[in-house]
Amino acid sequence: KAGVTQTPRYLIKTRGQQVTLSCSPISGHRSVSWYQQTPGQGLQFLFEYFSETQRNKGNFPGRFSGRQFSNSRSEMNVSTLELGDSALYLCASSLERGREKLFFGSGTQLSVL
Amino acid sequence: GQQVMQIPQYQHVQEGEDFTTYCNSSTTLSNIQWYKQRPGGHPVFLIQLVKSGEVKKQKRLTFQFGEAKKNSSLHITATQTTDVGTYFCAGDSGGSNYKLTFGKGTLLTVNP
Repeated sequence: KAGVTQTPRYLIKTRGQQVTLSCSPISGHRSVSWYQQTPGQGLQFLFEYFSETQRNKGNFPGRFSGRQFSNSRSEMNVSTLELGDSALYLCASSLERGREKLFFGSGTQLSVL
Repeated sequence: GQQVMQIPQYQHVQEGEDFTTYCNSSTTLSNIQWYKQRPGGHPVFLIQLVKSGEVKKQKRLTFQFGEAKKNSSLHITATQTTDVGTYFCAGDSGGSNYKLTFGKGTLLTVNP
């Protein structure tokens, strides 16, 4: 089985722009979670999607949004980018919700200039 | 909200020495998971613990879940250079609002 695929791998944007990141989970996995990873803050939970519905959300501003499609693929969007949004954005999929191990993608490294 | 703290933040050892990282939660956990992230890589699942006092071993790695289900530890015996990376614990408090909260990780470096 192919692993979790995230595109693009690297992204450079300027302040004020918006960005869309894509995540294709492992085939058959229905839950997709997004995390922001920075050196100072570690892995911070953004949101989780299951059956096309956002099931949980972390403490991030409304500029961060996401969605999940019927094939479980997910996208996250960040609008009005700020310098502090520079981070590695990781997507993780799991078979179902709750007590499931997460399979992470390689991430999208976002740099905001 | 739930907080998961890990110590130490960094650990440098000589190859062959043992290593332990500790994880503490502000709330009782339903389960705890451990992940390893190699430099430049992504987190990879190591193990999940769900029972109070549970101990699991994977070769040189020993994982423990505290009796009160608020703390956990990962111990590596006789470290090797392949053990280099950041070790994260992640816990959830259970309930329908399932959410894994990650600790900030312990970066292990091994001097050959």
